Amino acid sequence: GENVEQHPSTLSVQEGDSAVIKCTYSDSASNYFPWYKQELGKRPQLIIDIRSNVGEKKDQRIAVTLNKTAKHFSLHITETQPEDSAVYFCAASSVNQGGKLIFGQGTELSVKP
Amino acid sequence: SQTIHQWPATLVQPVGSPLSLECTVEGTSNPNLYWYRQAAGRGLQLLFYSVGIGQISSEVPQNLSASRPQDRQFILSSKKLLLSDSGFYLCAWAGGLGTEAFFGQGTRLTVV
Repeated sequence: GENVEQHPSTLSVQEGDSAVIKCTYSDSASNYFPWYKQELGKRPQLIIDIRSNVGEKKDQRIAVTLNKTAKHFSLHITETQPEDSAVYFCAASSVNQGGKLIFGQGTELSVKP
Repeated sequence: SQTIHQWPATLVQPVGSPLSLECTVEGTSNPNLYWYRQAAGRGLQLLFYSVGIGQISSEVPQNLSASRPQDRQFILSSKKLLLSDSGFYLCAWAGGLGTEAFFGQGTRLTVV
């Protein structure tokens, strides 16, 4: 089945710096790659997603890139702010596996003012 | 608009007691439904996945079971809880294959 690996597990940056989180997946048939943000004690919420027919997608300060050949995708946050501090999850979905979402292990991002 | 309800929010249960967590979705039909568990290590582990009534895929061997008695109702159960069942349980729904999943508020289960 699908396996999603996420790195790093923790990331600390200064306010205003950029943050990059990377994920790899195993199922070459995966075609949907969302990113979720989970604040302490709350439910995960979608912040951006990308499909396999697109290489890059941007929404204000966040962007996601996808390399299908290498089977990896990354989240980029620019001009980080303290409110960006949270746990971030990547996920992958494959039609071969019924479209279920398999998540990475999460990255705890800390933005220091 | 679609909403997802999950209850209870917190639960403390003794070892060996039964468990029933309920999740319902409103405003959509035939959703894909998920149960995830989030342990202290933060990862979201997929427990069960359902694409329709009576169609449930178990993702990991465990002490839990799931049922989908109605289209928009998903229940997580256990006959006898173990200490290792403690965690944050999240129900989620999605409109179809390869689409955004929306999470419920979660149930924090502590087995004592």
